[in-house]
Amino acid sequence: NAGVMQNPRHLVRRRGQEARLRCSPMKGHSHVYWYRQLPEEGLKFMVYLQKENIIDESGMPKERFSAEFPKEGPSILRIQQVVRGDSAAYFCASSPPALGGSPLRPQETQYFGPGTRLLVL
Amino acid sequence: AQSVTQLGSHVSVSEGALVLLRCNYSSSVPPYLFWYVQYPNQGLQLLLKYTSAATLVKGINDFEAEFKKSETSFHLTKPSAHMSDAAEYFCAVSTTGGFKTIFGAGTRLFVKA
Repeated sequence: NAGVMQNPRHLVRRRGQEARLRCSPMKGHSHVYWYRQLPEEGLKFMVYLQKENIIDESGMPKERFSAEFPKEGPSILRIQQVVRGDSAAYFCASSPPALGGSPLRPQETQYFGPGTRLLVL
Repeated sequence: AQSVTQLGSHVSVSEGALVLLRCNYSSSVPPYLFWYVQYPNQGLQLLLKYTSAATLVKGINDFEAEFKKSETSFHLTKPSAHMSDAAEYFCAVSTTGGFKTIFGAGTRLFVKA
């Protein structure tokens, strides 16, 4: 079972361009999370998605950032009109449905991808 | 609301010495607690987790952690440090039925030869 896949691993953008980060969860995982890690800091929650639904986006900046998890294909984190402050590592995590309960509830353990390191020039 | 505090942003030990990384948490409901390790330019790897079973949790690579409710702590230990243990370690908390995992700021472990 392949782990969480993220691509690209490194992304360089100029100010004002768009950045698209992709995440393929582990097989059987229907819950996806995005985190941002600034240099020398811990991970900050951005958004939690299930297939075709955004469940919690309380950690997403109000402007320029959006996320989706379509019925088919990977989850996408999109950053429009990037600025230098967006330079960071962006991690995706996934989790399977909770055991014995509603498939809409995730298990507590999240499995992380290798991250995408975004550099804005 | 939940929070995690990791005491010490940097810890340095000699090879073969005891490793102790401190983590205190705050949670209004019974927590799930995790320790993750991150090697340079890589993602996070789960070391161990506490999910309300045994309070002493054993993880990979001889790491273990003890949940102490009275002290709201979940410190990570390893009896004998190895050079390959040099990495960043993150303590994290979430709750039953919750999904938002809150991470500490991390502790960078240095291992001296």
